[in-house]
Formats: sequence, structure tokens, C-alpha cells
Amino acid sequence: KAGVTQTPRYLIKTRGQQVTLSCSPISGHRSVSWYQQTPGQGLQFLFEYFSETQRNKGNFPGRFSGRQFSNSRSEMNVSTLELGDSALYLCASSSPGLPYEQYFGPGTRLTVT
Amino acid sequence: AQRVTQPEKLLSVFKGAPVELKCNYSYSGSPELFWYVQYSRQRLQLLLRHISRESIKGFTADLNKGETSFHLKKPFAQEEDSAMYYCALGTPSNDYKLSFGAGTTVTVRA
Repeated sequence: KAGVTQTPRYLIKTRGQQVTLSCSPISGHRSVSWYQQTPGQGLQFLFEYFSETQRNKGNFPGRFSGRQFSNSRSEMNVSTLELGDSALYLCASSSPGLPYEQYFGPGTRLTVT
Repeated sequence: AQRVTQPEKLLSVFKGAPVELKCNYSYSGSPELFWYVQYSRQRLQLLLRHISRESIKGFTADLNKGETSFHLKKPFAQEEDSAMYYCALGTPSNDYKLSFGAGTTVTVRA
């Protein structure tokens, strides 16, 4: 089975711009979670989607949003980028019934200048 | 609110020595606890889940509800155990949110 894939792997943006990151889960997995990883804050939960519905959201400003498509692929969007948004964004998928046994993608490294 | 604490940021041990990574959690209900590991240049991956009470790569972890702890142990550390280890908490209320500790970087010296 192919693993979780994330595109792009690296991204450099300027303050004020917006960005869209993409995640393709493992085939058969319908839950997709997003995390922000930084050296200072560690892994912070952004949101989780299942069957195109957001089931939970972390404590991030409204500039962070996401969605999930009918094929379970997910995107997250960050608008009006700030320097502090520079981070590794991880996506993880899990199978129905095992929401906490997550398979992670390689991440997208976002740098905001 | 649920919270996971890993008090050690860095842990350095000699090869063949025992290693223990501490994890404490706060949650009023019955938690589901996990250890995830990230080796250099690899993805974050699940190492252990408390429910299965298994030993993976020589590692074990016991859930102690009285002390609200889920420490990870290995009696004889190997150089390939050098990695970043995260303790994570999921809640059976199914809010679908996995809460991670800050992580512990383990270095095993020859």
C-alpha cells in the first residue's frame, strides 16, 4: 500500500500571501488529520476530517482552514501568512475505528519570509 | 482538557544501558495512550499502543492510571534507538484529536 503523500514538500512564501497544502491518505483511510510541527511548540493539532466533515479543530486562528474531498484527499489553506506560520505541516490518515493509530506523511516545509 | 507532559527534552544513554522515557497525562476519563517515534530523515510512526500491551523493538510501556503515567522502557538500548519519541493521548469520547507531548530526543552512544 502506498503511504500518505503530501505536496508540495517545500514551499517559500511571503508574508501576506496564502498557501494551499495537499494530502493524499492511504487507500481506504477516510480520516485525515493535520498538525503543525515547530521546534518551540512541538506537534500541534490543527483539524481532523472524516467523510468530508470536520470533526474537530485545534486552537488556531481562522486563517487556517481545511477541507476534504469525496476521495478522502484533503487540503489545508493558510491565508494572510505570518512569519510565525513557518513550520513543518504534517498530515496523517487513519482507518475507520482506529482514529488514533495514525500514519504520517513526510510533511510540507513552509517558510514565510 | 487533556494534556501530555514529557519532562525530558534530551536523553543520552550508553549502548546496552537501560532507557526510560517519562510521560504523564492529564485526562479525567479513560485514555488511549501511544508512543510515536521519528528516526532521522524518516516519518513519524506509531511505535506502541497501550491497549495491545505489546513489546516492539524491545520497548514496553505500562499505563499506570493511579500515577497517570505511560513511561516507555527498554532494558538494553541500541544505537538504532536514537530518535525523537513522542507520547500521545487519544480520548475515547472520540473527539478525534490526538494530543502529543513535546517529545524526547534520545541519543544512544557507543
